[in-house]
This record gives sequence, C-alpha cells and structure tokens, in this order.
Amino acid sequence: AQTVTQSQPEMSVQEAETVTLSCTYDTSENNYYLFWYKQPPSRQMILVIRQEAYKQQNATENRFSVNFQKAAKSFSLKISDSQLGDTAMYFCASDDSGNTPLVFGKGTRLSVIA
Amino acid sequence: DVKVTQSSRYLVKRTGEKVFLECVQDMDHENMFWYRQDPGLGLRLIYFSYDVKMKEKGDIPEGYSVSREKKERFSLILESASTNQTSMYLCASTVDRVSYNSPLHFGNGTRLTVT
Repeated sequence: AQTVTQSQPEMSVQEAETVTLSCTYDTSENNYYLFWYKQPPSRQMILVIRQEAYKQQNATENRFSVNFQKAAKSFSLKISDSQLGDTAMYFCASDDSGNTPLVFGKGTRLSVIA
Repeated sequence: DVKVTQSSRYLVKRTGEKVFLECVQDMDHENMFWYRQDPGLGLRLIYFSYDVKMKEKGDIPEGYSVSREKKERFSLILESASTNQTSMYLCASTVDRVSYNSPLHFGNGTRLTVT
C-alpha cells in the first residue's frame, strides 16, 4: 500500500524568502505520480504542482518547484519569493497510476509572515 | 471551469441523526470521492465511485454509506451520526482515474459538528 509522510506539521517563512516543505513516500509501483495540493484558509483545495516518476527532470510552476529524489523516495516542494497568499495547508499526495485513489500526507501548515 | 458544489458549508446535527452530505459536479466527471479532513490526520478517503451506481470503500468507511444514482451527484450518508464523526468533509471529482491526467477538483467542504 502507498504511504505518504509529511514530517513538518507547521512551518513559517518571511515574505520574499524561500521555504522547502518535505515529503517522503513509499510505493511498490514502478510508475507513479506525485502531487502537491494547497488549501488556503477557508478556501478550496487546488493543485500546485505534479511530477511523473519516470521523468528525472524536476517539475516547476512559476515560484513553485520540486526536488524529486526517486531513490530516496523524497518529493519536497520549494516555494521561492514567498507571498502572503502562499499561507495555506500543503498536502503531498501519491497516485500509483490509477490502481488506487490518491493517497495524501497529513499536511504542513505554512504561514508566510510579513 | 469545473465546479464541485457541496450543499452545506456548515452543519450541526445531533447524535443518532441520519445525515446526508450532498455533492454535485458539473463537468460530467466519471469519478467522485469523499474525504474526511482532521487536524494532524490529513485527508482520509471514506468512499469513492468510478461510475453511476458503483461504489468502493476507502480507508475509513465504517459508519458511512454513499449513493450515486446520477453521474453528477455523490451523496455521503451517516446512518447514525456520532460525535467522532465531527469533521470537515471534502468531496472531489476527476474525469480520469489516473490523477496526473486529471487532477482532483475539490468542493469547498462541509464542516459537520455532531453534538
């Protein structure tokens, strides 16, 4: 069974600084997908970034990028130039190619401080 | 843009009541999901459905049931609400089983309090 672990329940970062959120996962599949979702306070959960396991190149979406270390089963999210609007719960998730539904980690609450 | 609508944002029910949480999506998505979100526990899958009239148990189905009579609507039912079911409930849908091709679209959530 897939598992996803986020070891940082809460983090904070100064506005304009860079922060990295950690995520490790475990799966027996060779092909799988990894995601970061964001849930702003009292707002909908939305997708931030996604990565295919067979692609070595790290995914990037504007200020968001990942550090995907397949051998270590690590998938961290880096947020550059943090903004107040980045304040949210961040969830790491894993999908083993549709065999089972998405599995989420316990989340990291990120606060961006002005 | 895909819209997933949960009928209630806040709900307060008494122990033992039968509770219906409704979720409707407007993009003809095949797959629908109910998650429960609790502090320190993240999102846990209760039930999901890959087609009309189909349902599958997730990780924590005990005390819950679901109904999917129409493609766009997926209802979560608490047969006899208990205080340990006080939680935030999130509905989501996707067009494709493989999440990479079609990310989950979430509703705004229903915060249920059982007293």
